[in-house]
Amino acid sequence: SQTIHQWPATLVQPVGSPLSLECTVEGTSNPNLYWYRQAAGRGLQLLFYSVGIGQISSEVPQNLSASRPQDRQFILSSKKLLLSDSGFYLCAWRGGRLSSYEQYFGPGTRLTVT
Amino acid sequence: AQTVTQSQPEMSVQEAETVTLSCTYDTSESDYYLFWYKQPPSRQMILVIRQEAYKQQNATENRFSVNFQKAAKSFSLKISDSQLGDAAMYFCAYRSAGNNDMRFGAGTRLTVKP
Repeated sequence: SQTIHQWPATLVQPVGSPLSLECTVEGTSNPNLYWYRQAAGRGLQLLFYSVGIGQISSEVPQNLSASRPQDRQFILSSKKLLLSDSGFYLCAWRGGRLSSYEQYFGPGTRLTVT
Repeated sequence: AQTVTQSQPEMSVQEAETVTLSCTYDTSESDYYLFWYKQPPSRQMILVIRQEAYKQQNATENRFSVNFQKAAKSFSLKISDSQLGDAAMYFCAYRSAGNNDMRFGAGTRLTVKP
C-alpha cells in the first residue's frame, strides 16, 4: 500500500531563516505531487505541483520554491522566511494518470515563524 | 478558473441525527470529479467520498452520501446517524478531468452534540 511521509511535524523558525520541508511517497511510482498551505481555520491553498522529476508548476508567486530531485520526493524551500509563511503545510500525491481520481495527504507540518 | 464555494462556515448536529453540508462550484468543463474530505483535529486530511461527473448515480459510502446536481453545479454531503467522531472540518473539492490540480472550498466546521 502507498504511504506518504512529511517531516518535520512541527517547526519554529525565526524570520529570515531558511526553510526545507520534505515529503516522500512509498508504494507508488510516477506520482503527481502537491504542496498546500492551510492558514488557521482556513481552506487549502495550492502552492506547487509536480508531474515528474524536475517539473514544478507554481500556483502562487511568493518567496517559497519547490523541487523534485527524485521520483517520490518533493521538497518545499525558502531562502528567507516571512512571518506570513506561518501555517500548516500539507503534501499530497495522486496517481500519475489523469484518470486517477483523488489526492492522498500526508500528516502535515506546522510551521511557526517568529 | 474553477471555484468551489462552501456557504456554511459552521454546522452542528445532534448525535444520531442527519446533517447536510452544502457545496457549489463554478466550471465550464463537462468532465470532472468532486470530492469531500474530512479534517479532524489531528489535521490529517481524509477522503470521505468522491463523485465522477459523468455518473448520474449519487455516490454512497456507508453513512455518507452525496446529492450531485450537475445542472445546478451543486454537490452536498449528507451524514446520517451522526457520530461524535464525525466532528471535523469538511472540505469540498473539484478537479477537472484534464487537469492535475484540485480546488478546495473554504471548509465547513461540523460539531456533533452528544
